[in-house]
Amino acid sequence: GENVEQHPSTLSVQEGDSAVIKCTYSDSASNYFPWYKQELGKRPQLIIDIRSNVGEKKDQRIAVTLNKTAKHFSLHITETQPEDSAVYFCAASTSGGFKTIFGAGTRLFVKA
Amino acid sequence: DTAVSQTPKYLVTQMGNDKSIKCEQNLGHDTMYWYKQDSKKFLKIMFSYNNKELIINETVPNRFSPKSPDKAHLNLHINSLELGDSAVYFCASSQRVTGVSPNNEQFFGPGTRLTVL
Repeated sequence: GENVEQHPSTLSVQEGDSAVIKCTYSDSASNYFPWYKQELGKRPQLIIDIRSNVGEKKDQRIAVTLNKTAKHFSLHITETQPEDSAVYFCAASTSGGFKTIFGAGTRLFVKA
Repeated sequence: DTAVSQTPKYLVTQMGNDKSIKCEQNLGHDTMYWYKQDSKKFLKIMFSYNNKELIINETVPNRFSPKSPDKAHLNLHINSLELGDSAVYFCASSQRVTGVSPNNEQFFGPGTRLTVL
């Protein structure tokens, strides 16, 4: 069945450093790849997304890359800040957008 | 101006009871979802509805019965609650777009923390 693997499960960085989270997906029909940030006790919120016809997208300190051939996509956060500390989920959307498979999440700690 | 709302926020109940969670969105979206987030934070799709019609049922036990009276509401009724049902349940909605990739951002509700004793 469809699966999304996410690594690492935990990531600790110093403030100002970069953080990279990597995901792979199994369903070649997936065509939309969102990233969600979930702070403790809060709801997941979209931070960036990429569609299958694009290889890279950037929004200020956040960038996402997609390699459709390898079925890999990655999140890059530069100049990390303590408020970036949260759980980050990658996801792959399939079945016409009605089914989104989430990765297991990465708990990011940014140390001041 | 709450976009996606859920009630109740917390639900504590005994095994074997029946309970319901309500969800409403005022975004005008066509598609709504239910997700279960377990204690390890794993987020798993349960159901997807589009214009009140069930599209995806992700092998969820029959004890879970979603109902969509209109496209702005998707409620979840759970019969004969079990210990393993304890989790946070999130409702979400999205508006599919036409074009090459008809998928779009999902807006999540605040979650309902269900505890089964």
